[in-house]
Amino acid sequence: SQKIEQNSEALNIQEGKTATLTCNYTNYSPAYLQWYRQDPGRGPVFLLLIRENEKEKRKERLKVTFDTTLKQSLFHITASQPADSATYLCALGKGSQGNLIFGKGTKLSVKP
Amino acid sequence: SAVISQKPSRDICQRGTSLTIQCQVDSQVTMMFWYRQQPGQSLTLIATANQGSEATYESGFVIDKFPISRPNLTFSTLTVSNMSPEDSSIYLCSVEDLLAGAPGFFGPGTRLTVL
Repeated sequence: SQKIEQNSEALNIQEGKTATLTCNYTNYSPAYLQWYRQDPGRGPVFLLLIRENEKEKRKERLKVTFDTTLKQSLFHITASQPADSATYLCALGKGSQGNLIFGKGTKLSVKP
Repeated sequence: SAVISQKPSRDICQRGTSLTIQCQVDSQVTMMFWYRQQPGQSLTLIATANQGSEATYESGFVIDKFPISRPNLTFSTLTVSNMSPEDSSIYLCSVEDLLAGAPGFFGPGTRLTVL
């Protein structure tokens, strides 16, 4: 069965550094991969989508890479701030049918 | 981007009862999706709700336990029936992000605790 893993449950970094989160998957060929931010008690907030034919995508301080050979995506937050502290989820999908497969998330803490 | 609201935001229910969760979107959408997020677990898709047709359920979820209504293009309900403590979870509705061509927008969630 398909499996999606995010590298660690928690990641602690110092303000100003670059946070790098990893998402690995097996037994699946996604058409796209999405990253979400989730704050406690709230629903996930969509951040970025990257398609299988794209290597990299950027949005402000965020950068996502997608390597379909390694079956891996990296999510970077540059110049991190305490306000970036949250749980970040990756999700795989094949179409607009809603059957996204989510990882359990990585809880990022950015210390001032 | 779509704005999604859910009611109730949280509830505490007794075993054996049922709870209906409402999801309202500020624009017309073709598909609405219902997810569950159990404590410490990833989000899992329960079903896809299209207006004018029966909902499509994922493996492990059945209509008798999670009946869904989709009366129009901006509204849907999910009922959690005959609840047990194992149903304690956050329930989220989601709609497609038309620009991305993929599911993208989530409601704030309904936190359900079953005693």
